[in-house]
Formats: sequence, structure tokens, C-alpha cells
Amino acid sequence: DAGVTQSPTHLIKTRGQQVTLRCSPKSGHDTVSWYQQALGQGPQFIFQYYEEEERQRGNFPDRFSGHQFPNYSSELNVNALLLGDSALYLCASSLKVAVEQETQYFGPGTRLLVL
Amino acid sequence: AQKITQTQPGMFVQEKEAVTLDCTYDTSDPSYGLFWYKQPSSGEMIFLIYQGSYDQQNATEGRYSLNFQKARKSANLVISASQLGDSAMYFCAMREGHNNDMRFGAGTRLTVKP
Repeated sequence: DAGVTQSPTHLIKTRGQQVTLRCSPKSGHDTVSWYQQALGQGPQFIFQYYEEEERQRGNFPDRFSGHQFPNYSSELNVNALLLGDSALYLCASSLKVAVEQETQYFGPGTRLLVL
Repeated sequence: AQKITQTQPGMFVQEKEAVTLDCTYDTSDPSYGLFWYKQPSSGEMIFLIYQGSYDQQNATEGRYSLNFQKARKSANLVISASQLGDSAMYFCAMREGHNNDMRFGAGTRLTVKP
């Protein structure tokens, strides 16, 4: 049973560039959430996708956008990269149930460095 | 407003001993879930244990147990018989019933000494 997978594992970009991160959910899961984890901090919620729609968004600018495909996989796009976007980007998948019970399983993350 | 507070930036424990990692939370929603995750240096967040706000008993999963004190709004993680492989960052998180946003604390770095 494959867990959550993310690609690429590491990425180096320069300011102003655009980046796309990819996530495949755990088998049987239909919901994907994205988090940004800066060094030394806990993850911060970016947004969640369910049924190919963005269901909720955290406090992130419009430069951060996403997509969910019919096979439940998801992409996170970040435009006009800033130095402060350097972080570990985590994807988590879950099966949509009662919200408070929904356990999210995380992938290994993508480490993005913006120079 | 900070909803999850982990007051211990770092903790040390001797191998084979038990350790308690503290977590307090703040919510006015009567329905919520509390989660603990382990993050080794590799970066992946590993789910450990879940406690629902309506659960009558404290959750247990193997060597992990959650000391849930609802009135105090605390959800401490207890790790029994610590192993060297338990050395990692530990995060407490909460989901409120109306919210898809899972909020995380700042984490506690646990070091198990041989």
C-alpha cells in the first residue's frame, strides 16, 4: 500500500521564478492538503483540495495556487518566488469524513530553496 | 491567535524511561480532534495518535498514549519505554469541527540518551 508521495524531493530556484510541486495521495484517499514548514517552525496550512476544488485556504497570497486531478493527485504552484518561500512543503492526504476526525497522512516533503 | 502551545522546545529522556510531551490548545468549538505527529530529521511527518473531543477514554497506540484533560484543554503525549529511534521533533495539532485547517504547535525536540 503506497503512502503519500511527493516530487521532487529537493528544488533550487531563483527569485521571481515559478515552481510546481506534485503530490500523489495514499491509496483510497480523496483529499489533499498542502503545508509550508519554515525552518524551526510547525507546518502552516496553505490549502486543501477535495473533489477537484479548493475547499479552504490558509493565510497565503494568491501567488500560491493549486490543482487537484480526477485521480486525486495534486499540484502546488508558486509564482514570483521570494526568498521567504524557502521551506519544506508537505503534502498530506486523507479520506473526507467528519472534519475533526479526519487523519492526515503526510508525504516526505519537497525542500525548496530560493536564491 | 495561537491555538496550540507546546512549551517545551527540547526534552531529554534516558532510554527505556517514559517521557511526557506537553500540549495545550484553545478552541470554543465543542467538536475537535487532537493529533500528534513525529518528524525525524528526514522531514516526513509520521502520524502517531488521535483523540476526539467526545472520546471518553484516553487514546493509546502501542507505546504512545494521550493524556487528555478536556477541562484543562491539554493533550499531553506519553511515550513509554523510550527508544533511541524516538529521537525526533514531535508536533501537537488540532482540527476544529468547522475547519479543514489543521493547526500545529511549534514542536518539541525529543532526544533519547543511551
